[in-house]
Amino acid sequence: DTGVSQDPRHKITKRGQNVTFRCDPISEHNRLYWYRQTLGQGPEFLTYFQNEAQLEKSRLLSDRFSAERPKGSFSTLEIQRTEQGDSAMYLCASSLGLREGIYNEQFFGPGTRLTVL
Amino acid sequence: AQSVAQPEDQVNVAEGNPLTVKCTYSVSGNPYLFWYVQYPNRGLQFLLKYITGDNLVKGSYGFEAEFNKSQTSFHLKKPSALVSDSALYFCAVRGRSNDYKLSFGAGTTVTVRA
Repeated sequence: DTGVSQDPRHKITKRGQNVTFRCDPISEHNRLYWYRQTLGQGPEFLTYFQNEAQLEKSRLLSDRFSAERPKGSFSTLEIQRTEQGDSAMYLCASSLGLREGIYNEQFFGPGTRLTVL
Repeated sequence: AQSVAQPEDQVNVAEGNPLTVKCTYSVSGNPYLFWYVQYPNRGLQFLLKYITGDNLVKGSYGFEAEFNKSQTSFHLKKPSALVSDSALYFCAVRGRSNDYKLSFGAGTTVTVRA
């Protein structure tokens, strides 16, 4: 399967614990995005990388959240001191950015469903 | 700020009938518009996009969408719905600046009955 992959698919944790999610984008894609989706809502943007540079962070991304893409390939999203309000589906997407003014669609992974007890 | 409204939480149609899922948007300048579909326990699947050119865009699985600038709408359509089209549909928009994030609507659940 050459699509976007995410691991784990499901994570149950207790409040206050730290969790880390991984996203492997489509191999040639230089742009990588994280979104959060809660029940009954569309995905909400969290952050975006172009290669290894994190270019934008949403105000939804509190200090407890950190994302990295160290070699411009896979990315990790860590949530420290989880809260019940962090329970959501975390979606990763990637796209191929060729040059300014050209925009290709984002391809989404299956998501990581986080449940904070 | 950019935003999307999907005014219908649910759309129910009979198999073989036309399907329309409504979407209106708000963005500075000209938009990029997208439709995605989500099946249970699956990620979002890209259906089609409007970037420029013809206002009628054709996409995957027989879906099409019509861009209407004056009404700021991008409704998704399928001439003859299938039971397998039952899913959650999302409209998304982004502006033409160097802002690559998508803003999604809340989604519309489509149910096609046999």
